[in-house]
Amino acid sequence: NAGVTQTPKFQVLKTGQSMTLQCAQDMNHNSMYWYRQDPGMGLRLIYYSASEGTTDKGEVPNGYNVSRLNKREFSLRLESAAPSQTSVYFCASRGQPLTADTQYFGPGTRLTVL
Amino acid sequence: DQQVKQNSPSLSVQEGRISILNCDYTNSMFDYFLWYKKYPAEGPTFLISISSIKDKNEDGRFTVFLNKSAKHLSLHIVPSQPGDSAVYFCAGFSGTYKYIFGTGTRLKVLA
Repeated sequence: NAGVTQTPKFQVLKTGQSMTLQCAQDMNHNSMYWYRQDPGMGLRLIYYSASEGTTDKGEVPNGYNVSRLNKREFSLRLESAAPSQTSVYFCASRGQPLTADTQYFGPGTRLTVL
Repeated sequence: DQQVKQNSPSLSVQEGRISILNCDYTNSMFDYFLWYKKYPAEGPTFLISISSIKDKNEDGRFTVFLNKSAKHLSLHIVPSQPGDSAVYFCAGFSGTYKYIFGTGTRLKVLA
């Protein structure tokens, strides 16, 4: 099992460009998450998907859109990147039992917006 | 409003000694508290958790203590090892999906 995979690992964008961060999990988990990690800020939830076909906003959703393509894949899209979106992005999935300790993270995507 | 706070950005400890990482919270509705460990260029990994109805949970060298009256939890690592050097995040969990993370403490265990 690969667990949670994210592509790309690194990306540099210019202000105004768009891109999609990909996330996939092979653990048959229902719930998936997108977080961003900034220095001194910890991890903050961008969007959450409880199951295929549903998505909900987290703490910092502005400037992002998500798609739960199927049970395995949850993508994060930046339509018009801004320097404030420079961050490390983590995808996570959560499985059964739905206890607090069943959240697994991917390795992250480091995004720089110039 | 920062619901989960880790006031120490960094901590250095000698190998073999105890490491104590602290976390404070303001939200009394958390059902669980968790500690995650993060190495550079990797995602966080779950380390240990505690239910809000308990005051202690132990797993090998790792023990988490919860003081609900003070809204404070701590992670004790005994004995500390160089491989424990990482960033540690505490998190509160409430409802069915919501995790709130602290800002992290970078632990360095000196050989």
